[in-house]
Amino acid sequence: VQLVQSGAEVKKPGASVKVSCTASGYTFITYYMHWVRQAPGQGLEWIAMINPSGGSTDYAQKFQGRVTVTRDTSTNTVYMELSTLRSEDTAFYYCARGDAASGTFWLDYWGQGTLVAVSS
Amino acid sequence: SYVLTQPPSVSVAPGNTAIITCGGTNIGIKNVHWYQQKPGQAPVLVIYSDSDRASGIPYRFSGSNSGNTATLTISRVEAGDEADYFCQVWDTTTGVFGGGTKLTVL
Repeated sequence: VQLVQSGAEVKKPGASVKVSCTASGYTFITYYMHWVRQAPGQGLEWIAMINPSGGSTDYAQKFQGRVTVTRDTSTNTVYMELSTLRSEDTAFYYCARGDAASGTFWLDYWGQGTLVAVSS
Repeated sequence: SYVLTQPPSVSVAPGNTAIITCGGTNIGIKNVHWYQQKPGQAPVLVIYSDSDRASGIPYRFSGSNSGNTATLTISRVEAGDEADYFCQVWDTTTGVFGGGTKLTVL
């Protein structure tokens, strides 16, 4: 299993960013994909998840209206777009595969992370 | 929203046992997962569903969960175990992480 993310981005406040995550080594549509971020020196924060099979999504309330997660099953790629960026959005953004049982998810494989820096 | 509380830091001498706690209201009825993160690296799954070891994780790592506290126990601690550890649960349709615990091996 491998999750490969797109490269670092530098954006100005108010702009949008789109990060990609390409999966390989397993059947793409059989596992949810999650997005988690980590500000420098801080903890982990869950952002969203997508079911690659049907494309349904769930977003953390904090990011509702500002984040959109999509997928392309022809390329086994998931995308996370975050809009109206502010300095507090500066962080590493990780995609992670979600395994599940008994109504819970855990994240068993992670991408290498993508640094998004927001600065004027 | 659901809150998970971890001690900011835990210190242990090599060869001893490290205990990292994760507190939450009635966390015992939830499934708790643990991740290890070393500097400059992505997190790695260590324990899932309270006490199941992830693939490739040594038997020295174990987990438990009851009441209002989940626990990650690392036996015979080695220098390579020095890292940040995060607990995580699933709350309705949202993932929740604890604030993380920095494990220092003295």
